[in-house]
Amino acid sequence: DQQVKQNSPSLSVQEGRISILNCDYTNSMFDYFLWYKKYPAEGPTFLISISSIKDKNEDGRFTVFLNKSAKHLSLHIVPSQPGDSAVYFCAAFPWGGSEKLVFGKGTKLTVNP
Amino acid sequence: DVKVTQSSRYLVKRTGEKVFLECVQDMDHENMFWYRQDPGLGLRLIYFSYDVKMKEKGDIPEGYSVSREKKERFSLILESASTNQTSMYLCASSLSRVGTGGTGELFFGEGSRLTVL
Repeated sequence: DQQVKQNSPSLSVQEGRISILNCDYTNSMFDYFLWYKKYPAEGPTFLISISSIKDKNEDGRFTVFLNKSAKHLSLHIVPSQPGDSAVYFCAAFPWGGSEKLVFGKGTKLTVNP
Repeated sequence: DVKVTQSSRYLVKRTGEKVFLECVQDMDHENMFWYRQDPGLGLRLIYFSYDVKMKEKGDIPEGYSVSREKKERFSLILESASTNQTSMYLCASSLSRVGTGGTGELFFGEGSRLTVL
């Protein structure tokens, strides 16, 4: 049973517009959430994170929102750039100090010039 | 900067061969991981090690084994490679979340693309 779900396998956005990538989780016992970005033939790189005690975290063009009651988080990229085209993975740490991230299946973002 | 280095970017092996994938990290991280990435399946954890000589099975350990003789090095072994093990293999390391105040963020290597013929 998948605990972290990214229901959109792909998303296409025009350059300069907002990209919104969504992630749902089924287990309330997560205490920290992360987003990773992955280009083809490279390893994933950390993008932004949020603790379960917060509802928003911002870093430049990237903002992550957490809605605990809906068990939903989203990554906003504003403005989107062609270089943002990549696969984005949502991931979460279970409570209790678990070291094992639970990953979603990823969403492929394409930003068109 | 944290550096996680995987020994081979691309490998081609034959069915039944023994395959070693090596990973080295330079940040004294306690935790090391091996994942595989396949289209539509995301990142799946094969094995995890939280200390030297310690290992824990991930979600898909069958057909794999690991070795961690030194803190900085974590090896993935395919005892007898099969075609369904053709994949992108990703090594990662992290600082322990417990007692460090760290976030446990994983740092990934560039990946090893293995093709088994």
